[in-house]
Amino acid sequence: AQTVTQSQPEMSVQEAETVTLSCTYDTSESDYYLFWYKQPPSRQMILVIRQEAYKQQNATENRFSVNFQKAAKSFSLKISDSQLGDAAMYFCAYRSQYGGSQGNLIFGKGTKLSVKP
Amino acid sequence: DVKVTQSSRYLVKRTGEKVFLECVQDMDHENMFWYRQDPGLGLRLIYFSYDVKMKEKGDIPEGYSVSREKKERFSLILESASTNQTSMYLCASSLSAGRGVGYTFGSGTRLTVV
Repeated sequence: AQTVTQSQPEMSVQEAETVTLSCTYDTSESDYYLFWYKQPPSRQMILVIRQEAYKQQNATENRFSVNFQKAAKSFSLKISDSQLGDAAMYFCAYRSQYGGSQGNLIFGKGTKLSVKP
Repeated sequence: DVKVTQSSRYLVKRTGEKVFLECVQDMDHENMFWYRQDPGLGLRLIYFSYDVKMKEKGDIPEGYSVSREKKERFSLILESASTNQTSMYLCASSLSAGRGVGYTFGSGTRLTVV
């Protein structure tokens, strides 16, 4: 079964600095999808970024980018020019390409990011 | 803009009460999910559904049931609420896994059982 591990329960960054959140996963599949979700104190889980495993190019969305290392099964999130509004819980997630319960999202335990003014 | 709507943001119920948590999506998604979220435990899957009238148990189904009579609505039922069911409940929906998309989440219901 696939697993997702976020080894940093909490992290802190100074406003305007860059921070990287780590995520590793375990799978025997070759095609799959990876996601980062943000959950601010308002509780709404918001999709930040998505990566398709068959694409070598790292996904980017404005200040958010990933470092996807397929062989190492690593999927880290980099937040550049951190803003106070980036303070949130961040979840890494894996999704198989297959249907049924195998295709359910598998979440890591999350990393709580604090942003210092 | 696509939406998943959870009927209540905060709910306080008494022990032994039957509790209904409602979730409605407007995206014609096949899949719907109920999670509970507790500090340090992350997101835990309670039940999910791939189609109308079908349901499957997740990782922690005990004490819960679900109903999906219409494609857009997925209800979570606590048959007899207990204090250990005090938690944040999140509903989500998605297209099928092969489409490679993530889930869209509702804004959560914080349930307190007293």
